[in-house]
Amino acid sequence: QAQLVQSGSEVKKPGASVKVSCKPSGFTFGGYILNWVRQAPGQGLEWMGWISIQTGIPTYAQAFRGRFVFSLDTSVNTAYLQISSLKAEDTAVYYCQSDKSGPSYFFDFWGQGTLVTVSS
Amino acid sequence: SHELTQPPSLSVSPGQTARITCSGDALPKQYAYWYQQKAGQAPRLVISKDTERPSGIPERFSGFSSGTAATLTISGVQADDEADYYCLSINITSTLRVFGGGTKVTVL
Repeated sequence: QAQLVQSGSEVKKPGASVKVSCKPSGFTFGGYILNWVRQAPGQGLEWMGWISIQTGIPTYAQAFRGRFVFSLDTSVNTAYLQISSLKAEDTAVYYCQSDKSGPSYFFDFWGQGTLVTVSS
Repeated sequence: SHELTQPPSLSVSPGQTARITCSGDALPKQYAYWYQQKAGQAPRLVISKDTERPSGIPERFSGFSSGTAATLTISGVQADDEADYYCLSINITSTLRVFGGGTKVTVL
């Protein structure tokens, strides 16, 4: 079954950095784009931005410009989300989501989510 | 700005029809997508491109869009449909996306 597999939960102190990984299982990234989505505790889904698998160029939603970095390592077919200068309000589940759209199809896969807890 | 508005909650009895609306000024030019999220799980796509139902999604889920509003309809609601539902739109030109605030569907 095709899916995205994310790295495990993280607990970090304020000011630290964290790197979340996302790797496809059962399919390859080719032709897809990779989105990152945040869900704070008890809150809704928030689109953070996307990265082109073809070019590696990221696009960030306004609220996520600055401390958030999307990257790819094509040698290991893995995408990454790095958050620097962590704050308590960064505590959330972070999902990677990948989709590919054509005239008669839309393929959509999600990771299981990675809980990042920022606490002193 | 690109915003989508959903009602926060909706209660429905089993067997009845649930209709969830998603409103946004950009919807006449953009497709709406609908996701179901059950507690502790990742979201699951239930409708793409306004009306298309992915493989494996029950026929009781349907979508419609007209003007500035998109609607997800769940016909013959079952207890298993209790979840949060989110709409999403994608701006093809700017590639930016936005989720609606989500609607919590409670099956009475």
